[in-house]
Amino acid sequence: QQKVQQSPESLIVPEGGMASLNCTSSDRNVDYFWWYRQHSGKSPKMLMSIFSNGEKEEGRFTVHLNKASLHTSLHIRDSQPSDSALYLCAASSQGGSNAKLTFGKGTKLSVKS
Amino acid sequence: EAAVTQSPRNKVAVTGGKVTLSCNQTNNHNNMYWYRQDTGHGLRLIHYSYGAGSTEKGDIPDGYKASRPSQENFSLILELATPSQTSVYFCASGEGYSDYTFGSGTRLLVI
Repeated sequence: QQKVQQSPESLIVPEGGMASLNCTSSDRNVDYFWWYRQHSGKSPKMLMSIFSNGEKEEGRFTVHLNKASLHTSLHIRDSQPSDSALYLCAASSQGGSNAKLTFGKGTKLSVKS
Repeated sequence: EAAVTQSPRNKVAVTGGKVTLSCNQTNNHNNMYWYRQDTGHGLRLIHYSYGAGSTEKGDIPDGYKASRPSQENFSLILELATPSQTSVYFCASGEGYSDYTFGSGTRLLVI
């Protein structure tokens, strides 16, 4: 079964709006999360990673993590058409040198101008 | 610049034939991974490696073999290709909690 669940499957937001994406792991051993962005026909590129409870902000992107519920969310403010892409959440349950990344199915974000 | 390079970029194979997908990394990472990506399934882990000479089964290893002859190179082998293995394959390298870097992908069509 999929151990990393993402929601929603797809999302449409207006240009300048806020996009909120969710990700939850069912593996209690998970200790690190990544968010990747993949434009159509391209390879995934890392956006942000988080392992501590709380919030992390980089420019227009904010990531939250609740370790107790193994839930992370990505928020994109002032969304731009160039943000239209597939957003993938990944989780790792093995720290140190032997990490194994498990990905969710992704959220397809469309930003309409 | 450190990178992950995959070859070939596109491949058409016949059912029952052998296919080898290659991956080379200059990141000096111990860990390398092979994923496939299909619509509706995200990225699914096929095989991975923690260093030269080691390979581990991922979540969907059936029908695939892997080989890690050196730190830099990691191959994915389809001994008897089937149409169900038509997909986009990505190789990645990483270590610990670093950024896991992906190659550009290989589009495989099995006819």
